[in-house]
Amino acid sequence: SQQGEEDPQALSIQEGENATMNCSYKTSINNLQWYRQNSGRGLVHLILIRSNEREKHSGRLRVTLDTSKKSSSLLITASRAADTASYFCATEPYSGAGSYQLTFGKGTKLSVIP
Amino acid sequence: GAVVSQHPSWVICKSGTSVKIECRSLDFQATTMFWYRQFPKQSLMLMATSNEGSKATYEQGVEKDKFLINHASLTLSTLTVTSAHPEDSSFYICSASGLAGGQFAYNEQFFGPGTRLTVL
Repeated sequence: SQQGEEDPQALSIQEGENATMNCSYKTSINNLQWYRQNSGRGLVHLILIRSNEREKHSGRLRVTLDTSKKSSSLLITASRAADTASYFCATEPYSGAGSYQLTFGKGTKLSVIP
Repeated sequence: GAVVSQHPSWVICKSGTSVKIECRSLDFQATTMFWYRQFPKQSLMLMATSNEGSKATYEQGVEKDKFLINHASLTLSTLTVTSAHPEDSSFYICSASGLAGGQFAYNEQFFGPGTRLTVL
């Protein structure tokens, strides 16, 4: 079932600006992951943050996780036209047996205008 | 990095025919593969989870007799859309999971590039 909810659904910014996307989920998780998808293509894994982590960085990406609010944010700094894509959060639900299924949010469509 | 391929990348078929989509993990053994469906401008919806050598587990609302999944080896899973209809037209994406420990730091899923199915 769909668990993650991203907002905004669409975001349009100028090149060089920062882009922030948010994700909320409903149940306990092992980790939360962010993916990128260019139109009509497969998914590219961007970053994973575990449930015991609060913030993680990777290049121009910064991800935060607030398990008390069941929410995460993805910040892309100094955006480029090439960042134009849809961004999805995905949660791996907590399961003692080791559940590896991912539940994807609806995604945020980011447009970076040159 | 781990690579997953899908074949074909796109297919057009007539209503009533069956279509087979292959998902291969090229450089690692995947004990679990997942099949997703994505309609235009929507998110990925998990269809089924497939473990090598056993029957696939289907999500609620997914017809197992219509979407046949075979996971015969640790590197290959196939999805067959039987008696396809126009409403089955979608983007089908597979992922292969490498378990934590050894090669992978966590239970990663590596996604294939997707297969665009159009049923006329």
